[in-house]
Amino acid sequence: DIQMTQSPSTLSASVGDSVTITCRASQSISSWLAWYQQKPGKAPKLLIYKASSLESGVPSRFSGSGSGTEFTLTISSLQPDDFSTYYCQQYNSYPLTFGGGTKVEIK
Amino acid sequence: DVQLVESGGGLVQPGGSLRLSCAASGFTVSSNYMSWVRQAPGKGLEWVSLIYSGGSTYYADSVKGRFTISRDNSKNTLYIQMNSLRAEDTAVYYCARVMSVGANYFDSWGQGTLVTVSS
Repeated sequence: DIQMTQSPSTLSASVGDSVTITCRASQSISSWLAWYQQKPGKAPKLLIYKASSLESGVPSRFSGSGSGTEFTLTISSLQPDDFSTYYCQQYNSYPLTFGGGTKVEIK
Repeated sequence: DVQLVESGGGLVQPGGSLRLSCAASGFTVSSNYMSWVRQAPGKGLEWVSLIYSGGSTYYADSVKGRFTISRDNSKNTLYIQMNSLRAEDTAVYYCARVMSVGANYFDSWGQGTLVTVSS
């Protein structure tokens, strides 16, 4: 199974900050990586697919990069609505696996 | 608009069974890959099962042999039959639409239904 490791697990930031979340795969997954945002009590929402492709309707302040085993999600100019938990997911092979999540908190 | 609505969750004793349903609208379940993902209280996301449009099925090792994914094309509904339930199966269960063939990420999610396994 491919293990997905996110860091940090918690991130404190202020409105307007630029933040970066890292996701590492235990083996190469090419660019087969998605990012999701989840708010408390709500379903996850797709942000990024194929490592760097922005889902329709997602603000351009969200961007993804990486390939192989190391990936990043960057949120430029953090907005109040962005304080959430973020998950990466690999879809290179079964079983599909998620990272442990990164909670972005208000500083 | 795409909509997914789960139902069937509740309290069940260890060893018991439960069937969850996911009613879809705005698209055809049988033409898409569909999946179940769960989230234990306060924990992260865990993929559970996936069904191809052609009918092939895949399962996480943690549920293989106990859970069965299926669909009813006439009702445009996805199901998961959960048998021999354990305390560690306690979670919110989400159904999700897989984006496309060969791209097994999830572009639409239901609101989730809570399954609690406890005596």
